[in-house]
Amino acid sequence: EGVMTQSPGTLSLSPGERATLSCRASQSVSGSVAWYQQRPGQSPRLLIYEASTRATGVPSRFSGSGSGTEFTLTISGLQSEDSAVYYCQQYYWWPVTFGGGTKVEIK
Amino acid sequence: QVQLQQWGGGLLKPSETLSLTCGVSGVPSSDYFWSWIRQSPGRGLEWVAERNPDGRVGYNPSLQSRVTISIDTSNNHFSLTLNSVTAADTAVYFCHGSWTSQGRDWWGQGALVIVSS
Repeated sequence: EGVMTQSPGTLSLSPGERATLSCRASQSVSGSVAWYQQRPGQSPRLLIYEASTRATGVPSRFSGSGSGTEFTLTISGLQSEDSAVYYCQQYYWWPVTFGGGTKVEIK
Repeated sequence: QVQLQQWGGGLLKPSETLSLTCGVSGVPSSDYFWSWIRQSPGRGLEWVAERNPDGRVGYNPSLQSRVTISIDTSNNHFSLTLNSVTAADTAVYFCHGSWTSQGRDWWGQGALVIVSS
C-alpha cells in the first residue's frame, strides 16, 4: 500500500504569499498523483492530476511538481478563497490512498 | 454536464447494513472509474471501493470482508453495500467518478451516515 504523508499539517499565511505543500509516498507512484482542495461542507475539487497538470478551470496560481516519491503543490499569490484543506492522492495502484491533508489558513 | 446524485444513508444501528446509491447523468456508467470515498467527522479522505472500466473491483483492505460495489449500467447508477456496520463506519460517504489521468473528476454531494445504538 502506498502511504502518502503530507506536511505541514497547517500553514498560516497572509494574502499574496506563496504556499508550498509537500507530499511523500512510501514507495514510487510514478507521476500518478492528484491534488484536491476541500472547503468546509463541500466535496473535494480536483486541482492537479498527473502530478503537474492543472484541471479545467483551476487558476494558474496553482501548480504541481514531482515524480516518484516526492510531490509538491504550490499556491502562488494566496487569496482568501484558497483557505481550505488540501489532499494529495496516489492512483498508481489499488488501494488508492490519500495523504492526511494540509490545512491552509489565510491570516 | 456530468452530475452525480446520491441517496441512501442516514441513521443505522450497529450490525445493520449500509446501502448507498449514486445516479450518474451526462456520461455512460459503463465508462470511467466509479468509487466510494468516505470522510469521518473531522478526519481525512478514505478510499472505500472502486470499479474500473474493465469491470474489475478493488476494495480497501480494512473493509474488504464487509463491502461490495456494484454497477447498474442499464439505469446508469452504482451502489455501495457495507455489512455489519459499527460506530467506526460513521462518516460522510461520497460517490466519485473519474478518469484521473485524463483530468475527468466528479463528486456526489455526500451522504452522512451515523451508526449509533
